[in-house]
Amino acid sequence: EPEVTQTPSHQVTQMGQEVILRCVPISNHLYFYWYRQILGQKVEFLVSFYNNEISEKSEIFDDQFSVERPDGSNFTLKIRSTKLEDSAMYFCASISQPRGVAGELFFGEGSRLTVL
Amino acid sequence: SQELEQSPQSLIVQEGKNLTINCTSSKTLYGLYWYKQKYGEGLIFLMMLQKGGEEKSHEKITAKLDEKKQQSSLHITASQPSHAGIYLCGADIRNAGNMLTFGGGTRLMVKP
Repeated sequence: EPEVTQTPSHQVTQMGQEVILRCVPISNHLYFYWYRQILGQKVEFLVSFYNNEISEKSEIFDDQFSVERPDGSNFTLKIRSTKLEDSAMYFCASISQPRGVAGELFFGEGSRLTVL
Repeated sequence: SQELEQSPQSLIVQEGKNLTINCTSSKTLYGLYWYKQKYGEGLIFLMMLQKGGEEKSHEKITAKLDEKKQQSSLHITASQPSHAGIYLCGADIRNAGNMLTFGGGTRLMVKP
């Protein structure tokens, strides 16, 4: 069964360091997302990405965050200068349906980021 | 107030019992997703509902979206220990595709 894969599964970093989280979406999917979940809190939308550009982003997704699709398979989330409050589980998701058409939105296993 | 509320927050049932989890919004649910999450792990897609009155089933799990598209329920029949986990509803409440707002989750424990 196709799946969204994420690496690393866990990363520990020092405050102020740059972090890149990687995702390989399902191969025929065209719409990609990052969500995050701070421990004990709700899953929150960060950003959506289509056709090599950001479609929507939340207030959380400030200038410290960026996304990129460097090649035909990877989708990355970069945090430029991590803060303690960036500690969370980051989930990548992908879907084949166009915007506005609900479909099966699949999530990866998540990358747990711990900022010390 | 919360945009998407789930109830109950936690639930302990005896194996074999039926249970229902609710997800309620004051806004129209343009797309409603149910996921299962084991603690600290990823979200496993269960079902997606879009049309008012829609009902879907997979194995022993049934999800419904009410006619007004403001409430969804997830029903598990004859629960098993394998059903234990955190059930999350996520919804498109802005008619913006898959920019989902999530509920707080329902933690289910099934006692053998």
